[in-house]
Amino acid sequence: AQSVSQHNHHVILSEAASLELGCNYSYGGTVNLFWYVQYPGQHLQLLLKYFSGDPLVKGIKGFEAEFIKSKFSFNLRKPSVQWSDTAEYFCAVTPSGTYKYIFGTGTRLKVLA
Amino acid sequence: EAGVAQSPRYKIIEKRQSVAFWCNPISGHATLYWYQQILGQGPKLLIQFQNNGVVDDSQLPKDRFSAERLKGVDSTLKIQPAKLEDSAVYLCASSFRRTVASTDTQYFGPGTRLTVL
Repeated sequence: AQSVSQHNHHVILSEAASLELGCNYSYGGTVNLFWYVQYPGQHLQLLLKYFSGDPLVKGIKGFEAEFIKSKFSFNLRKPSVQWSDTAEYFCAVTPSGTYKYIFGTGTRLKVLA
Repeated sequence: EAGVAQSPRYKIIEKRQSVAFWCNPISGHATLYWYQQILGQGPKLLIQFQNNGVVDDSQLPKDRFSAERLKGVDSTLKIQPAKLEDSAVYLCASSFRRTVASTDTQYFGPGTRLTVL
C-alpha cells in the first residue's frame, strides 16, 4: 500500500538553527508532493508543492524542499528557523493520475527563543 | 476570498449517539474532501467528491459513516452510531481540481473536534 513516512516526530531547535525534516514515500510511479503546515490554533495550509521541473522547490517563509526521485524523498529545509516556525509539519503525496491524497504522520517542531 | 467553513467547531457526544458535521467549500471548488485526524496522526482521507459524485470512499467505514454533497456545493458527514474510537478532528478541504489529470492545492477548514464519551 502507498504510504508516507515522516521519521522525525518531534524536533526541538533553537532560533537560527538549521532545519531538515525527512519525508519518504512508497510509490513507484510519478507523484505530486506537498508540505503542509499547521500553526498552533490555525488550520492546515500549504507550505510548498512539487509537480514537475526543478526538483528544488521554494515555498513561503524561507522554506524549501528537494525532491530526490531515486531516494523517494522530499525533505523540507530551512537555513535558519524562527520562533514563529513552531508548528506541525505534514508531508503529503498524490500519485499522478489519481485523486488519492496520502499524508504522513506529521512532525512537531518547537523552536526555542 | 472566503475560506472553507465548517461547523460545529466542537462536539461532545456519548457513544451510540449520532452526530453530523457540515462543510461549505470555497466557491467554485469542484472537489471536496473529508478527513479524519486522530491525535498524533496525519489526516486520513475518508471520502472525496468531484462535484456531487463520489470518487473515493475506500476508507470510509460505511456501516456507520455516511456523507453527501447533494448540489455539488456544501457537504454533510454523519456518524451513526458513534464509537469511542471516532474521537478525532474531522477536516474538510476543497480544491479547484476539475479532472483526475489536473493537480492543485487543497484548502482546509478549521475542523470539527469530536469527543465521544
